[in-house]
Amino acid sequence: SQTIHQWPATLVQPVGSPLSLECTVEGTSNPNLYWYRQAAGRGLQLLFYSVGIGQISSEVPQNLSASRPQDWQFILSSKKLLLSDSGFYLCAWSGGDQETQYFGPGTRLLVL
Amino acid sequence: GEDVEQSLFLSVREGDSSVINCTYTDSSSTYLYWYKQEPGAGLQLLTYIFSNMDMKQDQRLTVLLNKKDKHLSLRIADTQTGDSAIYFCAESLRDTGRRALTFGSGTRLQVQP
Repeated sequence: SQTIHQWPATLVQPVGSPLSLECTVEGTSNPNLYWYRQAAGRGLQLLFYSVGIGQISSEVPQNLSASRPQDWQFILSSKKLLLSDSGFYLCAWSGGDQETQYFGPGTRLLVL
Repeated sequence: GEDVEQSLFLSVREGDSSVINCTYTDSSSTYLYWYKQEPGAGLQLLTYIFSNMDMKQDQRLTVLLNKKDKHLSLRIADTQTGDSAIYFCAESLRDTGRRALTFGSGTRLQVQP
C-alpha cells in the first residue's frame, strides 16, 4: 500500500533563516506531488505541484521554492523565511491520471 | 473561475444527523471530494463523487450533488463525538491541466454529547 511521510512534524525558525521540508511517498511510482499551505483557520492554498522528476509548477509568487530530486521525494525550501511563512504545510500525492489526492500528516512551521 | 464556498461552523448533538453544505462555481468539475481534518493532522479522504452522479452512500455518509445549482452536501448519520473535525469540500478540474484540487475554507463540525 502507498504511504506518504513528511518531516519534521513541527519546526520553529527565526525570521531570515533557511527552510527545508521533506515529503516522501512509498508504494507508488511516478506520482503527482503537491505542496499546500494552510494558514490558521483557513483553507488550503496550492503552492507547487510536480508531475515528474525535475518538473515543478509554481502556483503563487513567493519566497518559497520546490524541488523533486527523486521520483518519490518532494522538497519545499526557502533561503530566508518571513513571518508570513508560518502555517501548516501539507504534501499530497495522486497517481498518474487519477485526480484523487492523498495527504501526508503535515508540518507545522512557526516563524518568529 | 474557481471558487468553493462552505459555511464556517456547524454544531449538532450526538446521535443527530449533520449536513455540511458546499457550493462551487465551475461547471466543468469532474470529481468533488470531502476531506476530514482532525486537530493537528493532515487531511483524510472521506469520500468523493463523480460529476455525472447525483448521490453516493458509504455507511454513515451520504453525498448529494445538484449540478444545476452547483451544490454539494455531506450528510453524516448518527453523528458521534469522534466526527468533530473540520470538513473540506474540494473540486477537481481536469480541463485546466493543473491536476490540483480547489478547496473550500472548511466547515468546523462540533458534536455535543
